[in-house]
Amino acid sequence: QSALTQPASVSGSPGQSITISCTGTSSVVGSNNLVSWYQQHPGKAPKLLILEGSKRPSRVSNRFSGSKSGNTASLTISGLQADDEADYYCCSYAGSSTLGVIFGGGTKLTVL
Amino acid sequence: EVQLSESGGGLVQPGGSLRLPCAASGFTFSSFVMAWVRQAPGKGLEWVSTISRSDGSTYYADSVKGRFTISRDNSKNTLYLQMNSLRVEDTAVYYCAKDDGGVVLTAIDSWGQGTLVTVSS
Repeated sequence: QSALTQPASVSGSPGQSITISCTGTSSVVGSNNLVSWYQQHPGKAPKLLILEGSKRPSRVSNRFSGSKSGNTASLTISGLQADDEADYYCCSYAGSSTLGVIFGGGTKLTVL
Repeated sequence: EVQLSESGGGLVQPGGSLRLPCAASGFTFSSFVMAWVRQAPGKGLEWVSTISRSDGSTYYADSVKGRFTISRDNSKNTLYLQMNSLRVEDTAVYYCAKDDGGVVLTAIDSWGQGTLVTVSS
């Protein structure tokens, strides 16, 4: 299966905006809009932030937004808050060959 | 409120077996694709297996194919993962996961709290 590449870490100060990238291939990420993003605090289960590339569940703050350009999906967090410090994972439908999903390696966000 | 509750984790020797049940409530269980996702200690998320909502079709990651079996009992609102021939590298927290409503697994809108499986001699 193709890998999804994320930066290992990003950081920002409270109130700032940061963007986490997720690079796949033309067959994963590039060929569909089935990328989702998850937030995971230490010791907790992941939480869905974004689905279908840019759709946000109603319970998720509008400070979180998703987008895609070519083979790269992105998660932007605006107005950084201390509680945003967590691990973030992108995920993409892996295609009809496996009918599973593939996760990125995860990005650790540090709020300075 | 959607609730997913895994159980059955624990310490098992290499080559051993475990069965993980996941009790679901708060939604029409039979109408949703379900899956298992695992996370090794200090590592990222890894998709393990998916089961369809209707015909019971199953799909597996290459790392567990032939050793793990996913199943569901819609009458009991319960998802299962039967794990055989366990290896040290299967050590992980195993999460029960619910798809957001598609025909295939695309986005996980609900997760269980996870159950730890440790494979060690």
